[in-house]
Amino acid sequence: DAGITQSPRYKITETGRQVTLMCHQTWSHSYMFWYRQDLGHGLRLIYYSAAADITDKGEVPDGYVVSRSKTENFPLTLESATRSQTSVYFCASSDGTGVFSPLHFGNGTRLTVT
Amino acid sequence: GENVEQHPSTLSVQEGDSAVIKCTYSDSASNYFPWYKQELGKGPQLIIDIRSNVGEKKDQRIAVTLNKTAKHFSLHITETQPEDSAVYFCAASKGGSTLGRLYFGRGTQLTVWP
Repeated sequence: DAGITQSPRYKITETGRQVTLMCHQTWSHSYMFWYRQDLGHGLRLIYYSAAADITDKGEVPDGYVVSRSKTENFPLTLESATRSQTSVYFCASSDGTGVFSPLHFGNGTRLTVT
Repeated sequence: GENVEQHPSTLSVQEGDSAVIKCTYSDSASNYFPWYKQELGKGPQLIIDIRSNVGEKKDQRIAVTLNKTAKHFSLHITETQPEDSAVYFCAASKGGSTLGRLYFGRGTQLTVWP
């Protein structure tokens, strides 16, 4: 049961560089999400996707780009990384079969922008 | 958007005692209130949830109560054990077309001392 996996687990990059965080799920869930977790802010939604080729912005989308060409993958790209994007990033998925389908989270990617 | 406040930010209890975490929300249209437990180095995991048509829900040692009039909900853990030590997050959502757009509280670090 692979579930939902994120890679890499840790990443250090420099300001201005492009970096992509990967997310892969094996459940064929329709919905996928990206959250960032910062001390004092809890979890905030960056982007989400209801199906392949359908994405929408969350609370804090600026500086991020997503794509969903395949149901199982939902990469998050920081086009030009800034120090304020230093955070722990969590990918999540949901089957969406019910109005209140629970989210299943990956174990996160800790990103440091120097 | 929704604003979820969570208290306390840290909570220390002796093994066997009860722990209570409280959350308030601002949007009266919210109708789904999950609780997540996050262990060190892992993603949040759903432990219990409650819907707006229910006032209380219990699952073994954990229970959640909801007061829609006052717009607050609480997590109760009885007979705490050291393995209950983790960060707990409350969240609120309108469900339906906004599936997965959970608004999280800032988290409570629970420590259970043996």
